[in-house]
Amino acid sequence: DTAVSQTPKYLVTQMGNDKSIKCEQNLGHDTMYWYKQDSKKFLKIMFSYNNKELIINETVPNRFSPKSPDKAHLNLHINSLELGDSAVYFCASSRERDYYGYTFGSGTRLTVV
Amino acid sequence: QKEVEQDPGPLSVPEGAIVSLNCTYSNSAFQYFMWYRQYSRKGPELLMYTYSSGNKEDGRFTAQVDKSSKYISLFIRDSQPSDSATYLCAIMDSNYQLIWGAGTKLIIKP
Repeated sequence: DTAVSQTPKYLVTQMGNDKSIKCEQNLGHDTMYWYKQDSKKFLKIMFSYNNKELIINETVPNRFSPKSPDKAHLNLHINSLELGDSAVYFCASSRERDYYGYTFGSGTRLTVV
Repeated sequence: QKEVEQDPGPLSVPEGAIVSLNCTYSNSAFQYFMWYRQYSRKGPELLMYTYSSGNKEDGRFTAQVDKSSKYISLFIRDSQPSDSATYLCAIMDSNYQLIWGAGTKLIIKP
């Protein structure tokens, strides 16, 4: 199936741990994104990345870092997890300079205890 | 003032009703407007997009843009329980970045 896929779907971990979330798209898109959705459903952009440019939302703590081994993958690594990091994280992709919106993955529900 | 304002609801209507969902925005230069639907525990999926002003219809769904009022709407006719979801408006800026509304939770009661 053509899609944006994320793993894992659920992640429960203790404060202070380091974790990664993986994202893959097979749509041939050039640009990938990480979003955080809080309990009130507000979507907040964290990063956008293509092979030329990484754009970081300045409010994102530097404990969060995107890593892209190739154009089809954008992983999210989080160091020293905090309780406030608990949220749903969505990966998305789009064609570069395309006005027709983004395709989202189904999300990773992160719970920090 | 936020760039895109959307009432988070919830909005609860009986099955078969016409639903009106709305957003306002602040930047008159915006040209590309989108509606996403998000079911519980799923990612947002693109429902409709429109360019500039006017209406666009797709089955039971109509997207409307009024640039003079900086107001966008999504109408759902003959609403069904399966339409129950959170509806997010999104506007694409000149840097191809999406600016999101807060999302309106819609509940269609059988």
